[in-house]
Amino acid sequence: AQKVTQAQTEISVVEKEDVTLDCVYETRDTTYYLFWYKQPPSGELVFLIRRNSFDEQNEISGRYSWNFQKSTSSFNFTITASQVVDSAVYFCALSEAFGTASKLTFGTGTRLQVTL
Amino acid sequence: DGGITQSPKYLFRKEGQNVTLSCEQNLNHDAMYWYRQDPGQGLRLIYYSQIVNDFQKGDIAEGYSVSREKKESFPLTVTSAQKNPTAFYLCASTKTGTGVPHEQYFGPGTRLTVT
Repeated sequence: AQKVTQAQTEISVVEKEDVTLDCVYETRDTTYYLFWYKQPPSGELVFLIRRNSFDEQNEISGRYSWNFQKSTSSFNFTITASQVVDSAVYFCALSEAFGTASKLTFGTGTRLQVTL
Repeated sequence: DGGITQSPKYLFRKEGQNVTLSCEQNLNHDAMYWYRQDPGQGLRLIYYSQIVNDFQKGDIAEGYSVSREKKESFPLTVTSAQKNPTAFYLCASTKTGTGVPHEQYFGPGTRLTVT
């Protein structure tokens, strides 16, 4: 069975601090995909990134960066110079590809609070 | 603009009543999903559908039912058999057919309160 663990329930930082959100996953599949989503207070999940199991290159998008380490089954997310608008719940998810569509297993989320 | 619409945003019902949550998408996506979110928990899959007139149970389907008569619509009925129906319900959709799981697009959610 697939499993995603986000051990950090809640993180509080002061604006401009860097923060890393941890994600550890379990799967028996050799091919899989990992995702990060942001859930702002409005409730709607917003897609941030998708990474496949064969691509271990780190990725940077503006203030966001992701570190994928297959050896430790981790896919961590770092926000550099955090801002108040980054306050949200962040979910890591693992995809089991079935048929022609994807089925996601979500972690329990990390609530990030950024204050002035 | 393309997207997913869920209505209403807040819904209140008395225990013992069935209630149907609406989900409509104009993204031309084949696959649609229903998730349930409880405080401090991740999203749990209730039902999913890869194509019109076909749907499959997710991890927590008991007490729920769905239909997929149109590509654009995937309504979820919370029946009186669902023991703890109060939750935040999210609908999602995604493209299919390339062998690569695409990102799911989510609606704004419906917060259901049953008393």
